[in-house]
Amino acid sequence: AQKVTQAQTEISVVEKEDVTLDCVYETRDTTYYLFWYKQPPSGELVFLIRRNSFDEQNEISGRYSWNFQKSTSSFNFTITASQVVDSAVYFCALSSPNTGGFKTIFGAGTRLFVKA
Amino acid sequence: DTAVSQTPKYLVTQMGNDKSIKCEQNLGHDTMYWYKQDSKKFLKIMFSYNNKELIINETVPNRFSPKSPDKAHLNLHINSLELGDSAVYFCASSRRLAPPEETQYFGPGTRLLVL
Repeated sequence: AQKVTQAQTEISVVEKEDVTLDCVYETRDTTYYLFWYKQPPSGELVFLIRRNSFDEQNEISGRYSWNFQKSTSSFNFTITASQVVDSAVYFCALSSPNTGGFKTIFGAGTRLFVKA
Repeated sequence: DTAVSQTPKYLVTQMGNDKSIKCEQNLGHDTMYWYKQDSKKFLKIMFSYNNKELIINETVPNRFSPKSPDKAHLNLHINSLELGDSAVYFCASSRRLAPPEETQYFGPGTRLLVL
């Protein structure tokens, strides 16, 4: 079965703290893709990153970084020196040939509050 | 300039009514989707269309009927609205359906409230 688990429902941090959002996935496919999306309070869904299962290199984009570890089936997202504008719901997602007709399966989301 | 647009942004209506939500993308993508986001923020796919052809119908009540007049548009018509239909509905598009790495780009969402 294909599944994405974001065990942290809500996280609250103070500005400038680092924070890591966890994502654990399940799939039997050897080829699959992982995504992170951000949903700010305004409600839109913003694409952040896509990773394929053959590329385990960590990625850094400004204050954002992603740690992909196939051994633990995790694709965690770290925000360094968090800012109030980072407050949002963050979704991890999985897509693979066997998610049933090329569906993208989303985790339940982690709501991040960054306090000034 | 907007890549994926939806109208209306807000929709408040009475139970039993019929309503439509429109979606348009100007990205030249082949594939479009409808997702439902419930009050707990859970996102679930409802439909996907590829070049105007229905690909995914995710066990959605047949009161929901998507229509794709061309590959840039995917509208969602809902008959006999029920209280449980209250949610945010997102339209999305991707360059193509397969392979599965294609990134989906989302519209701003339509907030539907059924009273």
